[in-house]
Parts: sequence; C-alpha cells; structure tokens
Amino acid sequence: QKEVEQNSGPLSVPEGAIASLNCTYSDRGSQSFFWYRQYSGKSPELIMFIYSNGDKEDGRFTAQLNKASQYVSLLIRDSQPSDSATYLCAVTGEAGSYQLTFGKGTKLSVIP
Amino acid sequence: SAVISQKPSRDICQRGTSLTIQCQVDSQVTMMFWYRQQPGQSLTLIATANQGSEATYESGFVIDKFPISRPNLTFSTLTVSNMSPEDSSIYLCSVEDRGWRFFGPGTRLTVL
Repeated sequence: QKEVEQNSGPLSVPEGAIASLNCTYSDRGSQSFFWYRQYSGKSPELIMFIYSNGDKEDGRFTAQLNKASQYVSLLIRDSQPSDSATYLCAVTGEAGSYQLTFGKGTKLSVIP
Repeated sequence: SAVISQKPSRDICQRGTSLTIQCQVDSQVTMMFWYRQQPGQSLTLIATANQGSEATYESGFVIDKFPISRPNLTFSTLTVSNMSPEDSSIYLCSVEDRGWRFFGPGTRLTVL
C-alpha cells in the first residue's frame, strides 16, 4: 500500500523565519509530487508541483525532491502569519497512474 | 489554471436520502476525480471519472453508494446515496490539467 508520511506538527515558526516541511513516500516509482496549502474550512490550494530531482523555486516557496531518498520538502522563506495553515504533501503513482495519495498534513503556525 | 465550481457548497440531509453534487470546470479536461475529506482527516480518493467510460472506484467505495456521471469534458456529478451520518464529510472535485492537479471549493455535507 502506498504511503505518504508527514509530521503532523504543529510546527511553529516566528514571522520572517524559514519554515521547513517534510514528506516521505513509499512508492519508489512515484512520478509527480505536489504541495497543497489548506486553510481551515477551505479546499486545498496547489502551491508547488515538482517531478525532477533538485529544487524548484516559486516566490517564497521552494520544493526539494530527492527520489533516491524518497523525500520531498517544502521551504517557505520569510514566513508570514497568513502562511498559517495545514500543508498537504501528495504523490502520484508510477507513470500512467493518475492516483494521487495524500499525507495527513502538517499544521504550520507562524507566530507574529 | 483550471477554475472549478461545485454545487451545492453545503447541505444538511436526512438519513436515508441522496444528494447529487455537481462539478463544473471552465475548460475541457480528460481526468476528473472525486475525493472525500472527513473531519480532521486528509483526502481520500473515491473515484476517477473519465468522459465516455465508467468511473473507476477505489477500494472501499462502490458504484451503488457513489454513482458518478461524466457526460462531457467539463462536467461531472457525484451522488451520495442512502446517506448515513458516517457520510458527513467534505466532498471535493479535482481535475488534472497538464500535469497540475486542482481542487474545487468542496461540498460540505452533514447527515442527520
């Protein structure tokens, strides 16, 4: 059974600091990796999508993927109170599989 | 990015009744997905809906309980049949658009 593991948190960081969110996955054939932000009572909002080893940057967000270690992370620079939310890691299966498996999410709290 | 709308946004239903949830996308997409998010939990895939073919259900979900229609490339419906309080959840429509995965705003269902 495919598994996606995240530290449930809560992770607390001061405003302006870097928040580091981590995710490991069990299916070595996984192809694509997503990070979603979900505010309480809202639907998941896509932040980052990565499929190649290395780093991918978009504004204050950087996704890092290491397929050998089956590890994907999300860094949030200059964290803001508005970043306080639950962050969900999601992973697809092997090529041709459209199933997206979600982790349980990490709750981030940015303290002003 | 694809813009997704869902109707209704929320509903309160009686045990034993059925509710049909609609999902509309502003562009043509091949893959549409239905997820459930129970209180305090992560997302669970119910089924994948492709236009012109039967929906593919995940383990634990059956067509009699969650019939799905996909009449065209921009629209799908999910029916929650013979509801019980255990069906109280948020139901989310999702689409795959050029590798990206987007979610609709969700339908919050409460079954009394």
